[in-house]
Amino acid sequence: DVVMTQSPLSLPVTLGQPASISCRSSLSLVYSDGNTYLSWFQQRPGQSPRRLIYNVSNRDSGVPDRFSGTGSGTDFTLSISRVEAEDVGVYYCMQATHWPFSFGQGTKLEIK
Amino acid sequence: EVQVLESGGDLVQPGGSLRLSCAASGFTFNNYAMSWVRQAPGKGLEWVSLISGTGGNTYYADSLKGRFTISRDNSKNTLYLQMNSLRAEDTAIYYCSRGGRLNDYWGQGTLVTVSS
Repeated sequence: DVVMTQSPLSLPVTLGQPASISCRSSLSLVYSDGNTYLSWFQQRPGQSPRRLIYNVSNRDSGVPDRFSGTGSGTDFTLSISRVEAEDVGVYYCMQATHWPFSFGQGTKLEIK
Repeated sequence: EVQVLESGGDLVQPGGSLRLSCAASGFTFNNYAMSWVRQAPGKGLEWVSLISGTGGNTYYADSLKGRFTISRDNSKNTLYLQMNSLRAEDTAIYYCSRGGRLNDYWGQGTLVTVSS
């Protein structure tokens, strides 16, 4: 099974400062159709997961442009250019290239 | 507007059974694979199962094989998860999401508690 490893697991950030989360997979996430099925989800306290980024770098509709995704192969990053109070929550990467699909452990972002 | 709404969560005794439902609206249901993902209290997200748009292909997490069955009724725009031989470790919020690989819309979840 593909193991997704996120770091850090806890991320205290000052408002207005940048933040980044790393996600590494134990296998390349390039699928046979040429796509890389790596997504990022945000889960605010008490809410369901919300997809932010799909296929490494495509931002979902309504997601602020301060969120961006980069990476390839086995190494991926979610970046937030300037953290706002509403960004507090847990962030998960997810691979959907190899079954069983899998999530990272989650990174808890909090305001310092 | 795309919506998925889970129901059926309950308190059940170990060894018991439960069927979860997910009612979908706002999109052509049979054009999309559908998934179940769960989250134990205070823990991360875990894939449970996936079914293709026609229902002809199903996938399960290895730890669940033989106990859970995913199905769908495209005439009712509804996804199901039949859960048998439930264990304490199955206690979680169960989410339904649209899609297999892309999971763009999620429901609010339904809580399953397995306890005597």
